[in-house]
Amino acid sequence: DARVTQTPRHKVTEMGQEVTMRCQPILGHNTVFWYRQTMMQGLELLAYFRNRAPLDDSGMPKDRFSAEMPDATLATLKIQPSEPRDSAVYFCASGLTSGGPNYEQYFGPGTRLTVT
Amino acid sequence: AQSVTQLDSQVPVFEEAPVELRCNYSSSVSVYLFWYVQYPNQGLQLLLKYLSGSTLVKGINGFEAEFNKSQTSFHLRKPSVHISDTAEYFCAVSVDSGYSTLTFGKGTMLLVSP
Repeated sequence: DARVTQTPRHKVTEMGQEVTMRCQPILGHNTVFWYRQTMMQGLELLAYFRNRAPLDDSGMPKDRFSAEMPDATLATLKIQPSEPRDSAVYFCASGLTSGGPNYEQYFGPGTRLTVT
Repeated sequence: AQSVTQLDSQVPVFEEAPVELRCNYSSSVSVYLFWYVQYPNQGLQLLLKYLSGSTLVKGINGFEAEFNKSQTSFHLRKPSVHISDTAEYFCAVSVDSGYSTLTFGKGTMLLVSP
């Protein structure tokens, strides 16, 4: 049963610390998304990769957030320095597409981040 | 840009009763519509999607949705809910922009009680 995996599942850190979240997309999928979910804003798209190339990261605060795909099996989202307002659940999703919108995004279980 | 409005943040319903979760969208171009479900402490899972063709779409777990272009709506329905349907439901829209990203609504919490 192929699934998107995310680590860690929970992270508590102090303001100013670096946070790294990892995602393993489903093998063979060529698109990876990072979302942030909060009560106030709902689900927000932070960044989007296709074939490991970043296509859109306009949803990310550029000064502190960065997203990369070092290889096809790993996507990372880093926050440095972290702030209390970054507290949220961060989801990774992957999918297989040739360019059109008619594909399914498979979501991981999320990383619940708390910044104190 | 496209947007999605889910009119109800919470919908309480008794077990075995019918339910409708409302979703309206805004877009200047053709859209593709999705419903996702999120169970507590889990990621989102696709319930159903409308891409083209028949406006009545059937999904998993007995859910269905109807695309109404004139009303710009994509309401989700189930004729008889179970306790296990308690979850948050998200409506999402995508357009054929080349990027193929989803814009999500704020979600509707379905609370099924005995």
